[in-house]
Amino acid sequence: DGGITQSPKYLFRKEGQNVTLSCEQNLNHDAMYWYRQDPGQGLRLIYYSQIVNDFQKGDIAEGYSVSREKKESFPLTVTSAQKNPTAFYLCASSIRQGNNEQFFGPGTRLTVL
Amino acid sequence: AQKITQTQPGMFVQEKEAVTLDCTYDTSDQSYGLFWYKQPSSGEMIFLIYQGSYDEQNATEGRYSLNFQKARKSANLVISASQLGDSAMYFCAMREGWGNNDMRFGAGTRLTVKP
Repeated sequence: DGGITQSPKYLFRKEGQNVTLSCEQNLNHDAMYWYRQDPGQGLRLIYYSQIVNDFQKGDIAEGYSVSREKKESFPLTVTSAQKNPTAFYLCASSIRQGNNEQFFGPGTRLTVL
Repeated sequence: AQKITQTQPGMFVQEKEAVTLDCTYDTSDQSYGLFWYKQPSSGEMIFLIYQGSYDEQNATEGRYSLNFQKARKSANLVISASQLGDSAMYFCAMREGWGNNDMRFGAGTRLTVKP
C-alpha cells in the first residue's frame, strides 16, 4: 500500500543529544513537509521541500535541520540547539503543483529527558 | 498575522445531530485551497474535505460538507448525523497560490460527541 511511514512512534533522548526522525513515502510525491505539534495546539511548519536537493525553512526552523537526497525520504534532525524539543512531529507529502491535500504519516512523539 | 482562525476550542454535540465547526481565513490571493483534517487521539491526520477558491459549489464528502462563504472568508465544516467516532480534534488549513506548497493550519477544535 502507498503511504508515509515515520519511525519510531515514540523516541526518547537525553538533553544535549541530536536525534534524527525518519520519514519515508512511496506515493511518488515531490513535496514533503515537517510539522511540530505541541499539546492542545495546531501544527507549525518546520521545513518543507518541493523537490530533491531543495528545501525551505518554515515558521520554526531554528534548532532543526533537514536533507532531501532522495525523493522518497525527508529526515529531520532535532539538534541540541532546539530549546524545547519535546513534541509530536508529523511528516507529510503532497503533489507539488496545484491545491492538493497533504498526506500525513503517523507521527513520532519525541521526549527529551 | 494569523492566516487561519478557529474560534471554538471545544464543541459538544449529541449523537446523531449535526454540528458546525467554524473557520475563517485571511488571504489576498485569488487562488487558494481550504482543507479540513481530523486528528483522533492516535495522532494521525486524516484528510476530510477540500474546497477550491474558484469552486462555485460547496464541497461535500459523505457526512461532511463545507459551508464556503467567500465574501466572508469563512469555510465552516458541517458534520451531519454525528457518530461517537467523530470525537477528535478538527483542523482547518489553507494553501495559497497555485503550486505553492506551504499549508497553514488553525489551532483546531476539539469535538466531543455525547451518546
